[in-house]
Amino acid sequence: SQQGEEDPQALSIQEGENATMNCSYKTSINNLQWYRQNSGRGLVHLILIRSNEREKHSGRLRVTLDTSKKSSSLLITASRAADTASYFCATPEGVYSSASKIIFGSGTRLSIRP
Amino acid sequence: NAGVTQTPKFRVLKTGQSMTLLCAQDMNHEYMYWYRQDPGMGLRLIHYSVGEGTTAKGEVPDGYNVSRLKKQNFLLGLESAAPSQTSVYFCASSRTSGGYNEQFFGPGTRLTVL
Repeated sequence: SQQGEEDPQALSIQEGENATMNCSYKTSINNLQWYRQNSGRGLVHLILIRSNEREKHSGRLRVTLDTSKKSSSLLITASRAADTASYFCATPEGVYSSASKIIFGSGTRLSIRP
Repeated sequence: NAGVTQTPKFRVLKTGQSMTLLCAQDMNHEYMYWYRQDPGMGLRLIHYSVGEGTTAKGEVPDGYNVSRLKKQNFLLGLESAAPSQTSVYFCASSRTSGGYNEQFFGPGTRLTVL
């Protein structure tokens, strides 16, 4: 099975700074998703980027996808205390699958210092 | 809409006891999933269902059983709990469209097996 692996595992930045986290995966995909998990809560979907897209924006979030390098990045601009959470990338089990399953990486723990 | 709900929120079991976790969704989603999350790790898929009356094994199915008798409910059973099943359990649902699988998560059930 393919799996996204996030890097770094943990990141601590000052409020107002930008946070960048990366995801690498192993085999071809047709889309990649990012999720956020606040402490003690379930995951929340942030954004989905298709394989024919190179960049996508949603508010303060910017996601890039480089299919040649099998990698994606999530940029959070002008970070806030409320952005403190774990962030996971998720990829479908196979590009030709019915997408009934997605595989989550182990996540990046982001801490925003006041 | 309540989205995805899980009961109970917390449970403590003794080794060998049994229990059932209930997941309910009101979004009319076809797909439902049970994951477990261990400290500092991502989610691992236990079982999933692509429709009422169907179930399939995920990555870590041993020691668990599931049933999907109604479209809106997905039950996870532990027949004989073991300490290794101490974890946080998350249910999710989705409606895949065009091969894209955005999942909606419940708040989780924290299970401790003594």
